[in-house]
Amino acid sequence: AQSVSQHNHHVILSEAASLELGCNYSYGGTVNLFWYVQYPGQHLQLLLKYFSGDPLVKGIKGFEAEFIKSKFSFNLRKPSVQWSDTAEYFCAVNYNQGGKLIFGQGTELSVKP
Amino acid sequence: NAGVMQNPRHLVRRRGQEARLRCSPMKGHSHVYWYRQLPEEGLKFMVYLQKENIIDESGMPKERFSAEFPKEGPSILRIQQVVRGDSAAYFCASSPQGGEQPQHFGDGTRLSIL
Repeated sequence: AQSVSQHNHHVILSEAASLELGCNYSYGGTVNLFWYVQYPGQHLQLLLKYFSGDPLVKGIKGFEAEFIKSKFSFNLRKPSVQWSDTAEYFCAVNYNQGGKLIFGQGTELSVKP
Repeated sequence: NAGVMQNPRHLVRRRGQEARLRCSPMKGHSHVYWYRQLPEEGLKFMVYLQKENIIDESGMPKERFSAEFPKEGPSILRIQQVVRGDSAAYFCASSPQGGEQPQHFGDGTRLSIL
């Protein structure tokens, strides 16, 4: 079955710490990969996406993600987090079945000032 | 440039009533998706529609749930005879085309069943 797994439900970091959020998906051939962020009280916003090409993808607000095909992973990283990065982060996969997105459970990130 | 508009933001219904959730896609977007987020869970796909067509309803419960996206007006997600387990946040997303195009999300409708 198609599934997406985010390893951490809640991550707590201090400002300036480095961030890595894990995301793994089940095998399904060619996939398109996304990270979305939901700030408190707001709608989901696209952070970055991977369709093809360079497996290291740069997104907004200093975020990046690396697609490792052999590991079926698409981990999100940021070298130095800020208090304003406090939000919930969702990994999502499109298995090339129309527009249907399969989401991970989400990771809540709390950054302490 | 208005984003995806969902209304109402909050909806309270008693068991057995009907709930209607509305979604107006971004201007120029003709593809609409509905997702449901139950407490402590991620978003689950429900249905994918284009104007006047249901493209994929593989995530829709077989009974009581229906969706439409008419030629004119917003997309409607309708839940008949609501039960406590329908309490959730319902998110709508839109894209200009289907497939790999990134989806833009609305603020969601929080449905509470008394």
